[in-house]
Amino acid sequence: AQSVSQHNHHVILSEAASLELGCNYSYGGTVNLFWYVQYPGQHLQLLLKYFSGDPLVKGIKGFEAEFIKSKFSFNLRKPSVQWSDTAEYFCAVIPSGSARQLTFGSGTQLTVLP
Amino acid sequence: GAGVSQTPSNKVTEKGKYVELRCDPISGHTALYWYRQSLGQGPEFLIYFQGTGAADDSGLPNDRFFAVRPEGSVSTLKIQRTERGDSAVYLCASSLSRGLRNVDTQYFGPGTRLTVL
Repeated sequence: AQSVSQHNHHVILSEAASLELGCNYSYGGTVNLFWYVQYPGQHLQLLLKYFSGDPLVKGIKGFEAEFIKSKFSFNLRKPSVQWSDTAEYFCAVIPSGSARQLTFGSGTQLTVLP
Repeated sequence: GAGVSQTPSNKVTEKGKYVELRCDPISGHTALYWYRQSLGQGPEFLIYFQGTGAADDSGLPNDRFFAVRPEGSVSTLKIQRTERGDSAVYLCASSLSRGLRNVDTQYFGPGTRLTVL
């Protein structure tokens, strides 16, 4: 079965710092990749997704992610974080094929200090 | 438009009791998913409905868990003989379902926090 690893459990940054959150998956075939975000007191929201094509994907609020197939990675980046980016971030995967359920990583809590 | 709604937002019950959790998907979404999120973990898949039928229930942990979606819209997750280990946030998501060749974005509800004492 596929799995998703997020190695950073808690990241603390100051405003304007650059962000990179790691995500690795274990699945040998074609995958669909997602980053979801959960702001304090809110529900999970889609940040960005990759299905095919350009491996550099741009999402909302200035976030982007790069799919590197050879490394089984889909890291999330933002050049300059804001206090409002404080949230929990989840990477998730759906293998191509008939499966439809998301397999999530354990999440990374990002705290941005003002 | 309205998003996915879930009721109740919080449920406290005693060990051994029966609970029902409700999910109201986005109008027009034919696919509906249930996930469970324990503290410090990402959501884990429980069951997926396509229309009225359960297309994949491989994530249900045991036969105490059951879900229905009789009219292809609202779904109810039912847990019998609750145990303390069932305490978690139960999330519902829905998506359009444009066919097997398409993976559609899942939109999540706010969740039901279940506490089993």
